[in-house]
Amino acid sequence: DGGITQSPKYLFRKEGQNVTLSCEQNLNHDAMYWYRQDPGQGLRLIYYSQIVNDFQKGDIAEGYSVSREKKESFPLTVTSAQKNPTAFYLCASSIQGTGYTFGSGTRLTVV
Amino acid sequence: GDSVTQMEGPVTLSEEAFLTINCTYTATGYPSLFWYVQYPGEGLQLLLKATKADDKGSNKGFEATYRKETTSFHLEKGSVQVSDSAVYFCALNIQGAQKLVFGQGTRLTINP
Repeated sequence: DGGITQSPKYLFRKEGQNVTLSCEQNLNHDAMYWYRQDPGQGLRLIYYSQIVNDFQKGDIAEGYSVSREKKESFPLTVTSAQKNPTAFYLCASSIQGTGYTFGSGTRLTVV
Repeated sequence: GDSVTQMEGPVTLSEEAFLTINCTYTATGYPSLFWYVQYPGEGLQLLLKATKADDKGSNKGFEATYRKETTSFHLEKGSVQVSDSAVYFCALNIQGAQKLVFGQGTRLTINP
């Protein structure tokens, strides 16, 4: 079955560390997205990519970086510059004219 | 800019009650409209969608009608179950744009 796989499900980061969240899809979707969700809040767009080797900043890109070297993969790095990284991170993909397909999320906690 | 406003939660109902979650939008083009559902600890799942005015999306007993005149896409269900407890998100995307704009989400709790 096609879908989106996010890993790991839970991730713990020490202060000053960079961590990378994985997102892989086998849906052959062109566009991929990263969202951040804080408790009791909606989704805020971090980065998105519409084609390989191209990506754009979303509403809250500071302290994050991405790459899109392959159509299937869109990893997100949370850098030490992100001052409040504890959140639930959701990856999604889409193809023109449809809604999003979401992964099951990664919960990142700073320890 | 484009935006979505949902009714504030949390919403608590008894089993078999009627559900309405209000959603209104502001858009410069001709949006497609979506409802997503998020169960605890999981990602979002597409519940239903409508792509043009007067379309009705439906799934699992939930319905929503695209009302262009009132810029609304309210979610309804005639008889809710405990298993419907989740967070519901209304969203839009403008024709030709792949980016979705989400509302803030409404938490729904159904008591037996």
